[in-house]
Amino acid sequence: GENVEQHPSTLSVQEGDSAVIKCTYSDSASNYFPWYKQELGKRPQLIIDIRSNVGEKKDQRIAVTLNKTAKHFSLHITETQPEDSAVYFCAAIMFSGGYNKLIFGAGTRLAVHP
Amino acid sequence: DTGVSQNPRHKITKRGQNVTFRCDPISEHNRLYWYRQTLGQGPEFLTYFQNEAQLEKSRLLSDRFSAERPKGSFSTLEIQRTEQGDSAMYLCASSLDPRGEQYFGPGTRLTVT
Repeated sequence: GENVEQHPSTLSVQEGDSAVIKCTYSDSASNYFPWYKQELGKRPQLIIDIRSNVGEKKDQRIAVTLNKTAKHFSLHITETQPEDSAVYFCAAIMFSGGYNKLIFGAGTRLAVHP
Repeated sequence: DTGVSQNPRHKITKRGQNVTFRCDPISEHNRLYWYRQTLGQGPEFLTYFQNEAQLEKSRLLSDRFSAERPKGSFSTLEIQRTEQGDSAMYLCASSLDPRGEQYFGPGTRLTVT
């Protein structure tokens, strides 16, 4: 069925190091993959997204890569800072009967230590 | 603030009571979504409106749950005869593009005692 798996569930890095979060999806028809950052008690906020016609997208310290053949995509954060600490969710859009819905991964709790 | 708003932000209720939440999407967005998020999990899709039409409902949405969007603007989510398992954050999101970004509201945290 519709499923997005996300790994790791927790990630601890030192400030300045890179962080990588990986997701796999099940629906080969999916063509939109957003990443959301959720700080404690706050709403999920989109930080970057990628569509299936591109393989990589970068926005300053954040990049996302997509491998449609393998049905997986990854978030890369370089030069991590303490304010990057949050829960990150990947998602894939699923099309059902002409309607779309986002299926989210279970989240990765990232802790960046000074 | 022109983003998605939700009310109330917190709701504590006793088991068996009915509760209703409201979501006001971004004004020009015709698509509205409800999600439920439990601790340590990602948001789970509940239902979707395009204008006033409810086009899809998750099997997570039992008969005790009902959602409306009467004029294609704000939406309400009602839970009847609440159970402790209903305790969660209920998130609303809206979008303009069916294949694009969904903007989330701050959520309503429901605690059923």
